[in-house]
Amino acid sequence: GDSVTQMEGPVTLSEEAFLTINCTYTATGYPSLFWYVQYPGEGLQLLLKATKADDKGSNKGFEATYRKETTSFHLEKGSVQVSDSAVYFCALRVNQAGTALIFGKGTTLSVSS
Amino acid sequence: DAGVIQSPRHEVTEMGQEVTLRCKPISGHNSLFWYRQTMMRGLELLIYFNNNVPIDDSGMPEDRFSAKMPNASFSTLKIQPSEPRDSAVYFCASSLLAGFSGNTIYFGEGSWLTVV
Repeated sequence: GDSVTQMEGPVTLSEEAFLTINCTYTATGYPSLFWYVQYPGEGLQLLLKATKADDKGSNKGFEATYRKETTSFHLEKGSVQVSDSAVYFCALRVNQAGTALIFGKGTTLSVSS
Repeated sequence: DAGVIQSPRHEVTEMGQEVTLRCKPISGHNSLFWYRQTMMRGLELLIYFNNNVPIDDSGMPEDRFSAKMPNASFSTLKIQPSEPRDSAVYFCASSLLAGFSGNTIYFGEGSWLTVV
């Protein structure tokens, strides 16, 4: 079945460090891919998305490129801030309208000053 | 515009009691989703509706759980009787149905349930 695998956390970084969170997926067809972020005590917010191969989603300095050949959607940020500390979820939605998100297990990021 | 609205935000209840969680989706959205989040199992899809019709309820853990969507602006998730292992954060989410899989799904703030 369709699934998402993301790197285990926690990821601990110093402020201004480079961030990569790996995400790979298994799906039939060509899904849309998403990164959601969850700050402590809050719901999930969309961070970025990509809907077809080679698309790059970007937001707030975060980027991820939809790589069909490696079935990956790795999240990157060049310089993290303390305020980026949160749980990051990679997710896919199969290529048809009206389906649900399938999530990875989440990666906790902790950034210290 | 108002986002997805869930109530209650926090609930503590005793084992065996009935729990009802409520959700108001974003106006105009016609897909609605219920997810559960726990440390052990992460985010699990419980059930989702398109145009008020349940499409997939295979994630509902057992008969103690039920969900309804009587109209386009309201949904409930009920647990009867509740058990300690139901303690979790329950998220409601909504999106537009028309179009394609790239439509964003918007989440509420969650209902934090503790069953003692």
